[in-house]
Amino acid sequence: SQQGEEDPQALSIQEGENATMNCSYKTSINNLQWYRQNSGRGLVHLILIRSNEREKHSGRLRVTLDTSKKSSSLLITASRAADTASYFCATDVRTGNQFYFGTGTSLTVIP
Amino acid sequence: DGGITQSPKYLFRKEGQNVTLSCEQNLNHDAMYWYRQDPGQGLRLIYYSQIVNDFQKGDIAEGYSVSREKKESFPLTVTSAQKNPTAFYLCASAPGWTSGRGEQFFGPGTRLTVL
Repeated sequence: SQQGEEDPQALSIQEGENATMNCSYKTSINNLQWYRQNSGRGLVHLILIRSNEREKHSGRLRVTLDTSKKSSSLLITASRAADTASYFCATDVRTGNQFYFGTGTSLTVIP
Repeated sequence: DGGITQSPKYLFRKEGQNVTLSCEQNLNHDAMYWYRQDPGQGLRLIYYSQIVNDFQKGDIAEGYSVSREKKESFPLTVTSAQKNPTAFYLCASAPGWTSGRGEQFFGPGTRLTVL
């Protein structure tokens, strides 16, 4: 399966700390995306990084991509309680028109 | 308002019954997707459609059926052949393969419970 794996599965930090979560995947991609899901809700797109990019920023988010290692990381700086959610990576593979989602990291930010 | 809607939010079904989940978008997107999410799990692709009157099976299509008669609508039927249908179902749309954006827009989801 192409499905990615996020690491760690769960993460608990204090408000103000940084949160880092990682994603690994298996085959060549066009781009990799990160999504956020609040409990019982749909997913919300956070950021997209293309296969020829190595790093991208959006507000408090920083995403890196290492295609040689087939891995990506999402860093959330100065976390807030409102960042509490599950975070998923999704890969847009080069063959076909599907997106493959990882298993998710559950982030809890303690006020 | 532009967006993607799913109905109903909660759905209860008796074993052996078919049930249809609604998904509508007014974003003028070509591609639409159905995913299943089980507790503590990631999303698994059931079916997707890149254009009207065409759709392809995803990784877990058995026991499900779809139609794409209109660009804005992509209903999912959960049939009695689906052995374990209790799950959270998410519909998504995307501008399409040629747009290059890649971002998917998700509906709020339907939680299906089989009694």
